[in-house]
Parts: sequence; structure tokens; C-alpha cells
Amino acid sequence: GAVVSQHPSRVICKSGTSVKIECRSLDFQATTMFWYRQFPKQSLMLMATSNEGSKATYEQGVEKDKFLINHASLTLSTLTVTSAHPEDSSFYICSAAPPGRRIGEQFFGPGTRLTVL
Amino acid sequence: AQKITQTQPGMFVQEKEAVTLDCTYDTSDPSYGLFWYKQPSSGEMIFLIYQGSYDQQNATEGRYSLNFQKARKSANLVISASQLGDSAMYFCAMREGYAGGTSYGKLTFGQGTILTVHP
Repeated sequence: GAVVSQHPSRVICKSGTSVKIECRSLDFQATTMFWYRQFPKQSLMLMATSNEGSKATYEQGVEKDKFLINHASLTLSTLTVTSAHPEDSSFYICSAAPPGRRIGEQFFGPGTRLTVL
Repeated sequence: AQKITQTQPGMFVQEKEAVTLDCTYDTSDPSYGLFWYKQPSSGEMIFLIYQGSYDQQNATEGRYSLNFQKARKSANLVISASQLGDSAMYFCAMREGYAGGTSYGKLTFGQGTILTVHP
């Protein structure tokens, strides 16, 4: 149980375009999902906490107008990178916290590798 | 200040030997949780082991054990009988107390340690 999927796994886009990444909890309902960004051989940096039915909470330094997060249902959160630029190229990972588990226990999606040309 | 510190950027171990990956943490919250994750080259994050701040015993999960030294604020991961498939990046992470609201359950990750297992 507690499977999280992400789509797409890889995306290449041109500079200036917008890219949407989906994160789904497949076998549980997730009121809270998290979005991370990871550069090669570096740590995961939390970008924002997504809560179903309310606005996402962004970490300091993350542009909310650049990285739009929508958590419209208990099984789906989306991250849209707007007007993408080469510096947005990164590995984006989402995670979800299943109810009834230890606080902080998160199940991660397989990640999305974004390359902006 | 770093809340989670992993001081070993890279570690090497011979197959079938044990290896310890270091993790120290900093928090003033009496209630916290510590997690270890493995990230192979595919990028997926695999949960390995968990230690709660109030747990009396060190956590163990198969070949993984956590050497929890609360007074020293360290939570080192021990992998016994290393296998070639253990080669990956390993992250220590901490969840602090009940932050409430939208920060509930947030994790802070260390810098990671790349483990290479030699045959």
C-alpha cells in the first residue's frame, strides 16, 4: 500500500513554456502532499506543502507565481512550472503523507526530470 | 544552522562488510522523528528505517539498524552485510514536533551520503 505516482517521468520543454507535473496517491487519500526539488547529487529541498482544498504553503525563497501548486482532490496534486527557464531544470519529487501513519512518514513518487532547453 | 548534518559525502565498503553512515541533528523540540531513506540512481526515495525521539530501543529493519544516541543528537545508520545493490545515496531526515497547520509532518533532509559497495 501507500503508492504514489508521478507523471510525466521525464519532460523536455522549450524556454518560456509551462510544464505541469501530476502527483497521485493511488491507494490512499492524502490531505497533505509535499513538493521537493533536487539538483544532481544534492539534497531534497522542500518547495511547498500542498493541502487539499486550500492554498499551498511555500518555503522561503520559492516563487509561488513561478511554481503553481493545486491540490484539487484527495488523490491529486499538480505542480506547474510557469514560463520555464533553463535554471528550472531539475528533478522534482512529490510525496504524500497517508493518514494514520507516523507523523512525518511520507511516501515518495518516482520523480520527474525536467529539462528546459 | 543545519538541522540535519551528514558529514560523509561518500563512503566505500567491501561487499559483505558492515558500514555506518553518520547523521547528527539539531532540535530543541522534545518530540521528533528521524528517518533514513535510500535513493538509487533511478531517483526513487525508498524508506529504510524510523526512530522516534521517545523510543527506548534502537530501531532495526532487517539489515538496517539505527544507532540512536539521543544525548549526542546522532542517529547513525548501520548497514550489515553490504550488498552491491546497496550502492546509492542515503539521506537522513528529521520531522520536528507538531508544527500544526500546513507544516504538519514536514521533513528536513541532510546533504546525503553516496555509498559505493565494492565486490
